[in-house]
Amino acid sequence: AQSVTQPDIHITVSEGASLELRCNYSYGATPYLFWYVQSPGQGLQLLLKYFSGDTLVQGIKGFEAEFKRSQSSFNLRKPSVHWSDAAEYFCAVVGRNNDMRFGAGTRLTVKP
Amino acid sequence: EAGVTQFPSHSVIEKGQTVTLRCDPISGHDNLYWYRRVMGKEIKFLLHFVKESKQDESGMPNNRFLAERTGGTYSTLKVQPAELEDSGVYFCASSQGGARRDEQYFGPGTRLTVT
Repeated sequence: AQSVTQPDIHITVSEGASLELRCNYSYGATPYLFWYVQSPGQGLQLLLKYFSGDTLVQGIKGFEAEFKRSQSSFNLRKPSVHWSDAAEYFCAVVGRNNDMRFGAGTRLTVKP
Repeated sequence: EAGVTQFPSHSVIEKGQTVTLRCDPISGHDNLYWYRRVMGKEIKFLLHFVKESKQDESGMPNNRFLAERTGGTYSTLKVQPAELEDSGVYFCASSQGGARRDEQYFGPGTRLTVT
């Protein structure tokens, strides 16, 4: 079955520190993978997506993610976190019926 | 261009009552999706419309939930009668195409609280 696991429910980092949010997927074929962010009171905003090609994907707001087939992972990274990055982050894979399968989300807190 | 909008932003109802959630997709988007997030768990797919037709409703939890999209524009999701376990955030998304690579644009969600 197609699914996504985000092992970390909550992460706290200091402003300016680097960030890595983990995502592991389960999918039989080539997965279509996404990272979304939800700030308080806002909808889900797409950060980046991977379909094929270069396994290092650049997104908005300085985020990037690396697709690693051997590890079934699609971790999200940012070299230097800003206070405005505090939000909830969701990894997702598109299922065979075009339904988005989400992880449980990782809440990011940024310390001053 | 306006994004996906949802109304209301928050609804509090008593168990047994009826609630109707509305979603207005981005103009011109034929594909409309409903998702739900219950109690901090993962966001789960409910159903998918293509224009006014239900393409996939495999995620609908039970027959207390009824989704419609008359005319292929906005959509409503009615819960009747509401139960405590229906509490959560209901998201709507739309996309122009229905392929797996087509980005789904999400609305801010409707928070439903059933007491």
